[in-house]
Amino acid sequence: AAGVIQSPRHLIKEKRETATLKCYPIPRHDTVYWYQQGPGQDPQFLISFYEKMQSDKGSIPDRFSAQQFSDYHSELNMSSLELGDSALYFCASSLPPTPPEAFFGQGTRLTVV
Amino acid sequence: DAKTTQPPSMDCAEGRAANLPCNHSTISGNEYVYWYRQIHSQGPQYIIHGLKNNETNEMASLIITEDRKSSTLILPHATLRDTAVYYCIVRVEGSNYKLTFGKGTLLTVNP
Repeated sequence: AAGVIQSPRHLIKEKRETATLKCYPIPRHDTVYWYQQGPGQDPQFLISFYEKMQSDKGSIPDRFSAQQFSDYHSELNMSSLELGDSALYFCASSLPPTPPEAFFGQGTRLTVV
Repeated sequence: DAKTTQPPSMDCAEGRAANLPCNHSTISGNEYVYWYRQIHSQGPQYIIHGLKNNETNEMASLIITEDRKSSTLILPHATLRDTAVYYCIVRVEGSNYKLTFGKGTLLTVNP
């Protein structure tokens, strides 16, 4: 069965650089969520999209932006990277109202040096 | 989302049942209890969810108290591969509401 695809799986960037993370949801899923998980931390919600519109916003820094495209894939753009942005970034997709669960990708590990 | 409280860690012997508790005393009437787990930096994985009745699937059973203020996730025969952080989350079903991860329980299954 198709799963949520995230690319790249690993990314190394220098401070003040820009990074773009991509998420391809499960086919027919119209909702995408982004999460950030720092070392030893629990996943923190960043932002979500439903039918290409932002549906909810969490603790996403102003330096970050995201969008969902017409094919439902989503991109998280991160600018002026800081050392503290080093984390695992997960994308999840779901198809409200059923099934109820959100399916997560394997994540992108971003390292800022 | 309502807040949940879970023990930070638990141990279980391989082959035995693992019972993971969760308190959600402020849960609303239309909020479901969801359980996810995360195995060593992999993406979180859905396990089970329920409203007020006990639920069972191929992975686990979910027991919800009558007052819905707490629940227990049961892994009937824990294996080493069940070692993970388990998250109890309350959420309104049928919406695109985000999952809010709190402090889960690190379950360690020992040989």
